[in-house]
Amino acid sequence: EVQLVESGGGLVQPGRSLRLSCVASGFTFADYAMHWVRQAPGKGLEWVSGISWNSGDIAYGDSVKGRFTISRDNAKKSLFLQMNSLRVEDTAVYYCTKLRIAALTDAFDIWGQGTVVTVSS
Amino acid sequence: DIQMTQSPSSLSASVGDRVTITCRASQSISRYLNWYQQKPGKAPKLLIYAASIFQRGVPSRFSGSGSGTDFTLIISDLQPEDSASYYCQQSYSTPITFGPGTKVDIK
Repeated sequence: EVQLVESGGGLVQPGRSLRLSCVASGFTFADYAMHWVRQAPGKGLEWVSGISWNSGDIAYGDSVKGRFTISRDNAKKSLFLQMNSLRVEDTAVYYCTKLRIAALTDAFDIWGQGTVVTVSS
Repeated sequence: DIQMTQSPSSLSASVGDRVTITCRASQSISRYLNWYQQKPGKAPKLLIYAASIFQRGVPSRFSGSGSGTDFTLIISDLQPEDSASYYCQQSYSTPITFGPGTKVDIK
């Protein structure tokens, strides 16, 4: 079964850091680009960051650029999101998503169940 | 950045109705347009990619069309399980952007 399982979410104070992880199974992880998409409570979907199959191409949304870092470990079939200098407005469900192809942009065909990040004092 | 808009923001329709949702890009994105369905508390699900190609397992009552800046998602025979929010997304360039969503309710 094709599956993405996120972990690492939780309650954190503004200005602190958090590291999200996503473990893939059921497909050849190294063949595909991977992304993070988030959804604030009651709001729509917001793209956060993406990384190509070989980490050669990386991009970030404007709201997280300079604060978040995406990375992957193909040997461990894992995707990561290091989130620093967290803000209240980063509060959201964070989804790990698989792209249909290896390059950086396309449709997201597999989604994890999401991990909740709450930034509050 | 490419801005995506959707209309309507919400609609209520009856079982069996034909429902049309439109999505517009702020600049031409060719056919790099994808549609998702999201039910409350669940992750989004890919319905259509490249403007009109069905994702495997998606019922044939869903269809997509368009190119350039204007796109349409049609649900031809609305079913109770279609009650959800629908989002368009451009994959033409980064930053990837989503439309604000259309909430579909069943009367």
